[in-house]
Amino acid sequence: DAKTTQPTSMDCAEGRAANLPCNHSTISGNEYVYWYRQIHSQGPQYIIHGLKNNETNEMASLIITEDRKSSTLILPHATLRDTAVYYCTPLQGGSEKLVFGKGTKLTVNP
Amino acid sequence: ETGVTQSPTHLIKTRGQQVTLRCSSQSGHNTVSWYQQALGQGPQFIFQYYREEENGRGNFPPRFSGLQFPNYSSELNVNALELDDSALYLCASTLDRANYGYTFGSGTRLTVV
Repeated sequence: DAKTTQPTSMDCAEGRAANLPCNHSTISGNEYVYWYRQIHSQGPQYIIHGLKNNETNEMASLIITEDRKSSTLILPHATLRDTAVYYCTPLQGGSEKLVFGKGTKLTVNP
Repeated sequence: ETGVTQSPTHLIKTRGQQVTLRCSSQSGHNTVSWYQQALGQGPQFIFQYYREEENGRGNFPPRFSGLQFPNYSSELNVNALELDDSALYLCASTLDRANYGYTFGSGTRLTVV
């Protein structure tokens, strides 16, 4: 399984951009990188995914390095409701499974 | 709003018993996966079904089994429950994983005593 490394925790001020890094140096060429977040007691919520190119949607932006060994999730204007555990996870082709680590606990402070 | 409904939300079982957890996915979501999430850990992949056939399995013993039905519902069955099976069980489904993410349900919290 491809391994991911994320900071255990991060803090961000409300209204500022939150930049969450993820290292996935063992990712295979056909594995997408997915980002999910999980608010306490709820199921993970899909945020965004990408393969090679940078991606943007209404929730966030995803920046993937050219060598695909790392990526950064950007929440442009963090709010208190963005406080959650954020998971970076590759999706393995074939088995179709998401491989979750322990994620990053993001705390947005007023 | 997730569009994936799991039942029950909480369940307490005794060691050695059997349990069935249920998931109802959105119409058209023909791929469903089940995950186990222990406290403080990320979800761990149990298995996946595509059009009612198992097409991927994680490192879980055979006493974990599943079914997927034509109406986009599915079940996770666990036999001979052990204390370590206590966890949050999550169901996730997708229409097309290349273009959409998986939609997760809120999970079933299983406690084995």
